[in-house]
Amino acid sequence: QVQLQESGPGLVKPSETLSLSCTVSGDSVNSGSYYWSWVRQPPGKGLEWIGNIHYTGRINYNPSLKSRVTMSVDTSKNQFSLNLSSVTAADTALYFCARANYFYYYMDVWGKGTTVTVSS
Amino acid sequence: QSVLTQPPSVSAAPGQKVTISCFGSNSNIVTQYVSWFQQLPGSAPKLIIYDNYKRPSGIPDRISASKSGTSATLGITGLQTGDEADYYCGAWDSSLSAWVFGGGTRLTVL
Repeated sequence: QVQLQESGPGLVKPSETLSLSCTVSGDSVNSGSYYWSWVRQPPGKGLEWIGNIHYTGRINYNPSLKSRVTMSVDTSKNQFSLNLSSVTAADTALYFCARANYFYYYMDVWGKGTTVTVSS
Repeated sequence: QSVLTQPPSVSAAPGQKVTISCFGSNSNIVTQYVSWFQQLPGSAPKLIIYDNYKRPSGIPDRISASKSGTSATLGITGLQTGDEADYYCGAWDSSLSAWVFGGGTRLTVL
């Protein structure tokens, strides 16, 4: 059974960088069949796709966040990561990691999510 | 403002049928596959439909979906209180080169 688990600081100061990791179990991040994705959900609002990454380095980012987002894959730890720079209160959200179909990008396995609050 | 447009809420009585619409454009719904996600209160989203109408293993056949032109529709029959959730449509947008979600529809089973 594939499971994903997000981890990282729950509180980030404004203007700093939000860094999250997602540990994958039951599958390999270097499985060529999937992209690895990040999705966020501000309090009381809908889902916002952040981006996805393939272990070969192929990356897709949300155009509205592209200037601040960096994603990476660590095959030795079977993890993938998200960095979001210059955060503001608008980046406060529940952050999910998810596995995405290689061809059509839909997310078929999700982590439980981790809450990140941006506040001084 | 979401790229895909859903009604904010729908409601129906237990045992009845409900449909949720999702409107998009040529760069997403018309030319790409549509997925649907169910998010129960306090839980992560769950994929319930992919490739326009296919159900992942374990999703009951009282959940169905279709697509026509710029719109997609999710249908749930035999409504149960456990179906109360937020439902999101999603698709790849070839113009944005990005995945897009609808704004979500809250289903209330009265």
